[in-house]
Amino acid sequence: KAGVTQTPRYLIKTRGQQVTLSCSPISGHRSVSWYQQTPGQGLQFLFEYFSETQRNKGNFPGRFSGRQFSNSRSEMNVSTLELGDSALYLCASRWTSGGQETQYFGPGTRLLVL
Amino acid sequence: AQKVTQAQTEISVVEKEDVTLDCVYETRDTTYYLFWYKQPPSGELVFLIRRNSFDEQNEISGRYSWNFQKSTSSFNFTITASQVVDSAVYFCALSERTGNTPLVFGKGTRLSVIA
Repeated sequence: KAGVTQTPRYLIKTRGQQVTLSCSPISGHRSVSWYQQTPGQGLQFLFEYFSETQRNKGNFPGRFSGRQFSNSRSEMNVSTLELGDSALYLCASRWTSGGQETQYFGPGTRLLVL
Repeated sequence: AQKVTQAQTEISVVEKEDVTLDCVYETRDTTYYLFWYKQPPSGELVFLIRRNSFDEQNEISGRYSWNFQKSTSSFNFTITASQVVDSAVYFCALSERTGNTPLVFGKGTRLSVIA
């Protein structure tokens, strides 16, 4: 099975612009979560989508939004970019079976805001 | 609230030494999952191991082993006979079973294995 894929891998934007990141989960996984990783704050949860519905949301401003499509692929959008949005954005695909669960991560998208 | 603490910020060992990474967690849920992930310089978080709160059996998988102790809320991870390729940042994470909660990560431990 192919793993979690994320595109693009690298992005450079300027303040005020917006950006869209894409994530395709492992085939058969219906849950996609997004995390932001920065040197100062570490790994922080953004939101999770399951069957096209947002199931959980972290403590981020409304500039961060997401959606999930019927094929489970997810997109994350950040509007009005700020310098502090520079980070590694990781997408995870959740496997659940018989009371067990694990999240598998993609390679991430490195966003640099200038 | 959930919390994961990795007190070791950086560890440096010589190749073939054993190394243990510490993790202490806090949760109010009685059913939860604990994980260890490895993050090499490429950035991808690689899943290593999962332990359920209701299973305290400690196991060994190749060069990896883990020690889960509910009484002390600890979930330590040991690499035996370390190799240079083990150099990475290791994250301990927790998720509560109730409500499909997200992963809460520790700050990570940077492991450097020197040849």
